[in-house]
Amino acid sequence: AQSVTQLDSQVPVFEEAPVELRCNYSSSVSVYLFWYVQYPNQGLQLLLKYLSGSTLVKGINGFEAEFNKSQTSFHLRKPSVHISDTAEYFCAVSGVGGYNKLIFGAGTRLAVHP
Amino acid sequence: DGGITQSPKYLFRKEGQNVTLSCEQNLNHDAMYWYRQDPGQGLRLIYYSQIVNDFQKGDIAEGYSVSREKKESFPLTVTSAQKNPTAFYLCASSIAGVNTEAFFGQGTRLTVV
Repeated sequence: AQSVTQLDSQVPVFEEAPVELRCNYSSSVSVYLFWYVQYPNQGLQLLLKYLSGSTLVKGINGFEAEFNKSQTSFHLRKPSVHISDTAEYFCAVSGVGGYNKLIFGAGTRLAVHP
Repeated sequence: DGGITQSPKYLFRKEGQNVTLSCEQNLNHDAMYWYRQDPGQGLRLIYYSQIVNDFQKGDIAEGYSVSREKKESFPLTVTSAQKNPTAFYLCASSIAGVNTEAFFGQGTRLTVV
């Protein structure tokens, strides 16, 4: 079965510090990978996606992620975080069972402190 | 503005009652989805629909029902058979294909007392 593992449930960080949110997946078929952000009591917003091509993907709000096929990872990074980046971040895969059936990780809560 | 509208944002029901959550989209998307979100468990797929008048069970469909009579609407009914219905419910839509972005509504928080 395909799955997504987000290795950290919570990540505390000081403002202007770099951050990495880790995501690993398992799949026997090719996948497409996504990172979404969720602010409190709201829906999810797409940060970035990897479909094919360059393994380094740039998204909104200064985030980027690198697809590593050999390590089956898709870690999210930002070189300098802001207070406004405090949110929950979800890694997801599709291509499983067809038709954009997204499988989500459990989420990582990023807490940015002044 | 185009988007997905879920209503209501907060919903309270007594145990044993059925309740229907609304989801409407004006993005002209073919596919629509319902997810359930619980703390520490991420999002789990309840039902999805690829076209009008057709829908498929997701990973946790027991105790839920849906309909897709119109392209823009995909209501979810939480029945009394759902053992633990209190949760945050998210509706999403996308165009056809496995590599397309899913757009999400703002969610409905259901509390059953």
